[in-house]
Amino acid sequence: TQLLEQSPQFLSIQEGENLTVYCNSSSVFSSLQWYRQEPGEGPVLLVTVVTGGEVKKLKRLTFQFGDARKDSSLHITAAQPGDTGLYLCAGRPAGTYKYIFGTGTRLKVLA
Amino acid sequence: GAGVSQSPRYKVAKRGQDVALRCDPISGHVSLFWYQQALGQGPEFLTYFQNEAQLDKSGLPSDRFFAERPEGSVSTLKIQRTQQEDSAVYLCASSPRQTGELFFGEGSRLTVL
Repeated sequence: TQLLEQSPQFLSIQEGENLTVYCNSSSVFSSLQWYRQEPGEGPVLLVTVVTGGEVKKLKRLTFQFGDARKDSSLHITAAQPGDTGLYLCAGRPAGTYKYIFGTGTRLKVLA
Repeated sequence: GAGVSQSPRYKVAKRGQDVALRCDPISGHVSLFWYQQALGQGPEFLTYFQNEAQLDKSGLPSDRFFAERPEGSVSTLKIQRTQQEDSAVYLCASSPRQTGELFFGEGSRLTVL
């Protein structure tokens, strides 16, 4: 059972457009991570956020952790074809070591 | 190599057969996780090891699934009497600490006919 819901599930946009992916839960997480996965490969970490309200930037990607540590967003500015992939959020419930992954957002950026 | 290695990459099994999937984590990594990923979905947690201790196996879907890490390095996920619903990619990840970045292998794709 997935505790983390991502939206949208699919997104197809033109190169240069902006987009936001959301990751929502009713549970509180000690930390939250975003990964990107390409076909035939394992997910690769993009960022970890640990403090409520925290904002982190990685080039054209901006990540935000909700104040209550229950939700997060990923904003991509001026998307490039190389951004194409499956984006996954993963939260670590308080008091556990495991990471629960979201349902995933499949992004396709057209040249 | 320096990354997480999984074998076999692809496995086709007839329903009812037993399978074993191997994970070689990055040397020295304390934590090891197994996940199951259906096509187009996010990975589902199966089990977690800290060194040789299996601290969480709450995600194993049935008693047909068994995982071990006897010496705190290599891990094996065993599935007995495979069913069609077991068809998925099985991902292994390791981490140098109890929490932090997960380093994933490329996965083992299991197809049960």
